Amino acid sequence: NAGVTQTPKFQVLKTGQSMTLQCAQDMNHEYMSWYRQDPGMGLRLIHYSVGAGITDQGEVPNGYNVSRSTTEDFPLRLLSAAPSQTSVYFCASSDPEGDEQFFGPGTRLTVL
Amino acid sequence: KNQVEQSPQSLIILEGKNCTLQCNYTVSPFSNLRWYKQDTGRGPVSLTIMTFSENTKSNGRYTATLDADTKQSSLHITASQLSDSASYICVVSTGEGNYTGNQFYFGTGTSLTVIP
Repeated sequence: NAGVTQTPKFQVLKTGQSMTLQCAQDMNHEYMSWYRQDPGMGLRLIHYSVGAGITDQGEVPNGYNVSRSTTEDFPLRLLSAAPSQTSVYFCASSDPEGDEQFFGPGTRLTVL
Repeated sequence: KNQVEQSPQSLIILEGKNCTLQCNYTVSPFSNLRWYKQDTGRGPVSLTIMTFSENTKSNGRYTATLDADTKQSSLHITASQLSDSASYICVVSTGEGNYTGNQFYFGTGTSLTVIP
């Protein structure tokens, strides 16, 4: 199993550009989440999904959209990138009990 | 307010020495507490999980303790190795069997550096 994969690993955007961060998991997990990690702060939840077709907002959802058309994929879209969105983004999927999260390797995003 | 606080923020130790990292939480209701290890440039990986009824859990050279009364946990690393250099994150879950993405509360982590 590849676990949770994320692409790209690094990305540089200009203010106002849009892009999609890809996340896929091959563990058949229903639960998936997107987090951002900033220096000196704990991981903060952006959006999450409890299954295909079902998504909900987390702590910091503004400026981001998600969709979940399949169990495997959970892409995160930045609609109009801002410098405040410079961060490291992690996708995670959770085991059936919802307790243990398995994280992807992260995407380091810089918005100029 | 649900919070998870970790100390120290950073720590430097000599290879072969032991160290203890602290985690205090005010999360309620409490379901479980996990310690994650995050290597530089990688995602966090679970080390241990502890539920309300457990007060000690070991994973090799890592031993976690939990005092549910005082809402404190510690992660003790024995005979440190260079590969232990990483950030260690304490995560408390309020999950009660029904997953919600908002159930996890993350500490800011302790950055551990092991030097030769």
